[in-house]
Amino acid sequence: DAGITQSPRYKITETGRQVTLMCHQTWSHSYMFWYRQDLGHGLRLIYYSAAADITDKGEVPDGYVVSRSKTENFPLTLESATRSQTSVYFCASTTDRYYGYTFGSGTRLTVV
Amino acid sequence: RKEVEQDPGPFNVPEGATVAFNCTYSNSASQSFFWYRQDCRKEPKLLMSVYSSGNEDGRFTAQLNRASQYISLLIRDSKLSDSATYLCVVPEDTGRRALTFGSGTRLQVQP
Repeated sequence: DAGITQSPRYKITETGRQVTLMCHQTWSHSYMFWYRQDLGHGLRLIYYSAAADITDKGEVPDGYVVSRSKTENFPLTLESATRSQTSVYFCASTTDRYYGYTFGSGTRLTVV
Repeated sequence: RKEVEQDPGPFNVPEGATVAFNCTYSNSASQSFFWYRQDCRKEPKLLMSVYSSGNEDGRFTAQLNRASQYISLLIRDSKLSDSATYLCVVPEDTGRRALTFGSGTRLQVQP
């Protein structure tokens, strides 16, 4: 089915481990985004991408790496997970921000 | 001043009530605005887009006041199923092509 999917839905990892969260969309949307959501902070932009091979930092990029070799995929990697990265991560995509975003169902990440 | 500010609530209202949320934004150049609905830490879902003075969709009305830089969302005849957090969203005031989300207003409709 067409849409935007994230995997895994839930992940528990240990401090210091590398973790990759996957995001895949089937609409060929140019723009893709990664947000994290924490109580008291709302949704905060981590990284975004305007097209394949074009990425840029958002509001809270430290400790994260992204890549976008194909339009449909936008993985987010935590290079060395820390407890402060325990959060719910949402991926989103759009053809243009003036049309709003469509979000994936999220990944709940716990770093122990 | 935060880019997008909302009253966090919660707003507790009885079924059938009319409730309104306000949101203020700092980017005076913004041309489009959105209200998203989010249930219990699930993904936010687009509720309404606002491109001019306002928009209406059934029981929901969004109004825009550019002079005062605020957006409102009015819900008439509240249903139990309207219980959720409502997020006010505006384009960022930067070179990034991204949206800025308010922290949300929580609505609890009671029987």
